[in-house]
Amino acid sequence: EPEVTQTPSHQVTQMGQEVILRCVPISNHLYFYWYRQILGQKVEFLVSFYNNEISEKSEIFDDQFSVERPDGSNFTLKIRSTKLEDSAMYFCASSVNNYNEQFFGPGTRLTVL
Amino acid sequence: AQSVTQLDSQVPVFEEAPVELRCNYSSSVSVYLFWYVQYPNQGLQLLLKYLSGSTLVKGINGFEAEFNKSQTSFHLRKPSVHISDTAEYFCAVRENRDDKIIFGKGTRLHILP
Repeated sequence: EPEVTQTPSHQVTQMGQEVILRCVPISNHLYFYWYRQILGQKVEFLVSFYNNEISEKSEIFDDQFSVERPDGSNFTLKIRSTKLEDSAMYFCASSVNNYNEQFFGPGTRLTVL
Repeated sequence: AQSVTQLDSQVPVFEEAPVELRCNYSSSVSVYLFWYVQYPNQGLQLLLKYLSGSTLVKGINGFEAEFNKSQTSFHLRKPSVHISDTAEYFCAVRENRDDKIIFGKGTRLHILP
């Protein structure tokens, strides 16, 4: 069964450093998403991406964040200058269309020291 | 604005007993509803979804949920739980004009032997 994959599973970085989280969505999916879950809190939407551009973003997704689909398979989330409060589990998701279920990856745990 | 309320942060239940996990949502437009499960150290897996049609939806692992529009609820039920159902369960809603999914805070199901 096809699944969304994410790398790395755990990333540790120093405050102020740039990080890139990688995702490989399901191959025939057209919509891509990033969510995050701070420890003990709910899963929060960050951004959605369709047709090579951002279609919706939350207020969390400020100028420090960017997304890219550099080739036909990868979907990345970049945090330009990490802050302590960026420590969270980051989930990538994809869907065939924008009204059906989203399929989630296993997540990347980001720890900012 | 849409929101999801899961009233119980934790639900302990004995093995082979029935369980109901409660979920209420608020939205001014029609919605799609989902239950996701997160097993320890894993990502989010779709249990079931309501898009339209029959208000009683059946999902994987013997779970079902009923959409009640007048009460704006989407409670999850299972007639007999197993130790393997130990996980966190997230109710989620998506408005039909939105890309993003809004998650509840989650309910941790704790199965007692």
